[in-house]
Amino acid sequence: QSALTQPASVSGSPGQSITISCTGTSSDVGGYNYVSWYQQHPGKAPKLMIYDVSNRPSGVSNRFSGSKSGNTASLTISGLQAEDEADYYCNSYTSSSTLVFGGGTKLTVL
Amino acid sequence: EVQLLESGGGLVQPGGSLRLSCAASGFTFSSFAMSWVRQAPGKGLEWVSAISGSGDSTYYADSVKGRFTISRDNSKNTVYVQMNSLRAEDTAVYYCAKTVWVVGKYMGVWGKGTTVTVSS
Repeated sequence: QSALTQPASVSGSPGQSITISCTGTSSDVGGYNYVSWYQQHPGKAPKLMIYDVSNRPSGVSNRFSGSKSGNTASLTISGLQAEDEADYYCNSYTSSSTLVFGGGTKLTVL
Repeated sequence: EVQLLESGGGLVQPGGSLRLSCAASGFTFSSFAMSWVRQAPGKGLEWVSAISGSGDSTYYADSVKGRFTISRDNSKNTVYVQMNSLRAEDTAVYYCAKTVWVVGKYMGVWGKGTTVTVSS
C-alpha cells in the first residue's frame, strides 16, 4: 500500500488555474474510477472536493474539477481565490480493497 | 445536518490499548460504511480502516492490521476502533468519516477528530 505520488507544493496567482497531479499504479488509480480529492485547511478536518474521479459534491464550487488518464489523476482549480490556499490530498481505492492517500500538496495563492 | 463526533483519545503508553468512538447523527447510519483516517503531527492523511453499513465487512491498512479492530453498533449510531499494541508511530489525530463504499469509494463527511498520543 504505497502512498500515491503528489507534488509537495504548487502555487498560482489569483484568477489563474492550477493542476495537482496524483500518480499511482494500475492497482489503484489506473484500475478503478474511484479517485477522490480532499481539501484541508490548517487545523481543520478534511473536506471532500471531488469523488469518483470527476464528480463534485453539492456545495463545492464548479471551479474545482477532476480527471484521470491512465495511472494519473488530476485536480484542477480555476479562477484561484485566496480561500483555496490549503493542503490537497488525493485518494484511491486499491486492488487490496483498501483506500490509499497521496502525500498531499500544499497550494499557495500568491 | 450530518454530524460526527469522535471521542476516546488521550495519552497511552507504548504497548497499551485505547478505544475510540464516533457518534453519528443526521443520516441513516446503517446505510453507510464508516472509515477511520489518521494524521500524524505535521504529516499527511493515512487511511486506517473501514466497515460496511451492516458491519459484516471490514478493511484495514497494512500498518494496523492485526492490532486495530473496527466495529459498529447501528442501534447506537456509533462506530469504534479498538487499538491494541500501540506504538509511537500511531500518534495522530484520528478522524472518522461517513463513507460511500458500494457505489463509489469516498469519504463524504468528516468529524473534527480526536488526538491519540502514544508515549511513555
